[in-house]
Amino acid sequence: DAGVTQSPTHLIKTRGQQVTLRCSPKSGHDTVSWYQQALGQGPQFIFQYYEEEERQRGNFPDRFSGHQFPNYSSELNVNALLLGDSALYLCASSLMGQPTDEQFFGPGTRLTVL
Amino acid sequence: AQSVAQPEDQVNVAEGNPLTVKCTYSVSGNPYLFWYVQYPNRGLQFLLKYITGDNLVKGSYGFEAEFNKSQTSFHLKKPSALVSDSALYFCAVRDMDNQGGKLIFGQGTELSVKP
Repeated sequence: DAGVTQSPTHLIKTRGQQVTLRCSPKSGHDTVSWYQQALGQGPQFIFQYYEEEERQRGNFPDRFSGHQFPNYSSELNVNALLLGDSALYLCASSLMGQPTDEQFFGPGTRLTVL
Repeated sequence: AQSVAQPEDQVNVAEGNPLTVKCTYSVSGNPYLFWYVQYPNRGLQFLLKYITGDNLVKGSYGFEAEFNKSQTSFHLKKPSALVSDSALYFCAVRDMDNQGGKLIFGQGTELSVKP
């Protein structure tokens, strides 16, 4: 079992550009959540996808959008990048309807905006 | 609204000594609580969770946590610290107001274990 995988590992962009991050969930999981972890802070929930729909959203602007594919993998898109978007982006997978189960996290994508 | 707080930014412990990393929570119902560990430039690894039942929960790598409802705390503990335990530790609560159950994290505590 490969667990949760994310790509790319690192990414450097300039202000105003757009970026796409990718995530494959753990085998058997159907729900993908995205978190942003700024330096020195705890992860902040961005949104969650289940059945190819956004089910829950945190306090992030519309510049942040996502998608889930039929194979449960997911993408996070960020438009019009700002310096403040520099962070570690974490993907977590879980099984919907199992709130007592832990979420499994990927290694993250480190985004640097210059 | 649900929240967790980790009152200590950093905890320093000598190897072989017991360690405690503190966490307090605020929830409207029964809490589902989790501890995760993060090593440099890595994702989060699950350590343990409290859902219901015994207030002392045992997890990975010799860690345990004590749930205290009256003090609304969920402190992480280990009887004998190792240098390899040095990492960033996060307490989290599951948001049960929504079906998806997002995790709400504390700000993290950096644990440093010196030889």
